Amino acid sequence: EPEVTQTPSHQVTQMGQEVILRCVPISNHLYFYWYRQILGQKVEFLVSFYNNEISEKSEIFDDQFSVERPDGSNFTLKIRSTKLEDSAMYFCASMPASSGNTIYFGEGSWLTVV
Amino acid sequence: GEDVEQSLFLSVREGDSSVINCTYTDSSSTYLYWYKQEPGAGLQLLTYIFSNMDMKQDQRLTVLLNKKDKHLSLRIADTQTGDSAIYFCAETDNQGGKLIFGQGTELSVKP
Repeated sequence: EPEVTQTPSHQVTQMGQEVILRCVPISNHLYFYWYRQILGQKVEFLVSFYNNEISEKSEIFDDQFSVERPDGSNFTLKIRSTKLEDSAMYFCASMPASSGNTIYFGEGSWLTVV
Repeated sequence: GEDVEQSLFLSVREGDSSVINCTYTDSSSTYLYWYKQEPGAGLQLLTYIFSNMDMKQDQRLTVLLNKKDKHLSLRIADTQTGDSAIYFCAETDNQGGKLIFGQGTELSVKP
């Protein structure tokens, strides 16, 4: 069964460093997302991406964050200058089309900022 | 804003049925989902229901939706120790698929 894959599975970074989290969505999907889950808290929406642009973003997704689809397969989340509070599990997800199609999540990337 | 609430813990004995409950506030929810998260793993889609349905059954899983009360439940029949995990309820109200998640219910299945 096709799946969303994410790398790295775990990354430790120093505060102030830039981090890029990578995702390969399912190949025929059109909508892409990043979510995050701070330990012990709810899974929170960060951003959605469609047709090579951001379609919606949350308050969390400030200027420190950016997303890119540099080629036909990868979808990346960049955090420009990491803060301690950015420590979380970051999930990539994709969906084939609009209106309630099933949304598939990757295994997540654990980011620890020290 | 939209909110989704779940109880935090549920403990059952192996072989019993489990019922995990969820309430939501958004009256324009179109799809409601149940995801399973095992320790250290990602979010596995279990099932989903469209808002014009009352019930959906998929093998051991039964989803019930009471749209009037904005209440969703997931029943797992013949619960096994392998069902121990955190179960997340989520809803979406828009075409773009942004999900609002509950805080998750930790299901513990005792032998």
